[in-house]
Amino acid sequence: EVQLVESGGVVVQPGGSLRLSCAASGFTFDDYTMHWVRQAPGKGLEWVSLITWESGTSYYADSVKGRFTISRDNSKNSLFLHMSRLRSEDTAIYYCTKDTAAIVVTRGGFDSWGQGTLVTVSS
Amino acid sequence: QSALTQAASVSGSPGQSITISCTGTSSDVGGYNYVSWYQQHPGKAPKLILYDVSRRPSGVSNRFSGSKSGNTASLTISGLQAEDEAHYYCSSYTDISTAVFGGGTKLTVL
Repeated sequence: EVQLVESGGVVVQPGGSLRLSCAASGFTFDDYTMHWVRQAPGKGLEWVSLITWESGTSYYADSVKGRFTISRDNSKNSLFLHMSRLRSEDTAIYYCTKDTAAIVVTRGGFDSWGQGTLVTVSS
Repeated sequence: QSALTQAASVSGSPGQSITISCTGTSSDVGGYNYVSWYQQHPGKAPKLILYDVSRRPSGVSNRFSGSKSGNTASLTISGLQAEDEAHYYCSSYTDISTAVFGGGTKLTVL
């Protein structure tokens, strides 16, 4: 059974930094592109970033480009999101998700989701 | 990348069928057969119910079906049940190798 467990969400001041982590199990982690998807309170889903299975490629939504960095450690089946220069509009639940297809950059689908970790940006 | 367009809400009675649409452009929905759909109940993480336009993951009811025509993808739920009441989101691959979501549709079962 695929399991994705996020951690690291806290209350942080505007302009601050934070690192989210995701521990993965139940599948061959280094075969899959992984993503972060977020959901602001009462709002819809927003794709944030992806990193390919071998860490060779990463992409970002325009809203976070230059401020967020995605990374992974395949030896520890872990995914990370380093967030800096945080803004109030970054307040959201952040989900770690697994792509639907193996060994491709992405097919824009997410077949497994963690429970999410809440990031609140507030003074 | 602009969000895909979904109606804010839809409703139906138990046993009926409903369809939720997801409209994009030739750079996403229209250009690739890589549209997925998710069901999200309040306070829960989204759950994948369709991928690659019409493929169902193991364990998902065959009451959920998908199709695509041009720049619009559709999710049909047949034989509506009370537990189908939820938010539904579409997502698509894009031509810059990223993903984009629709704004979400709230389904109310009357």
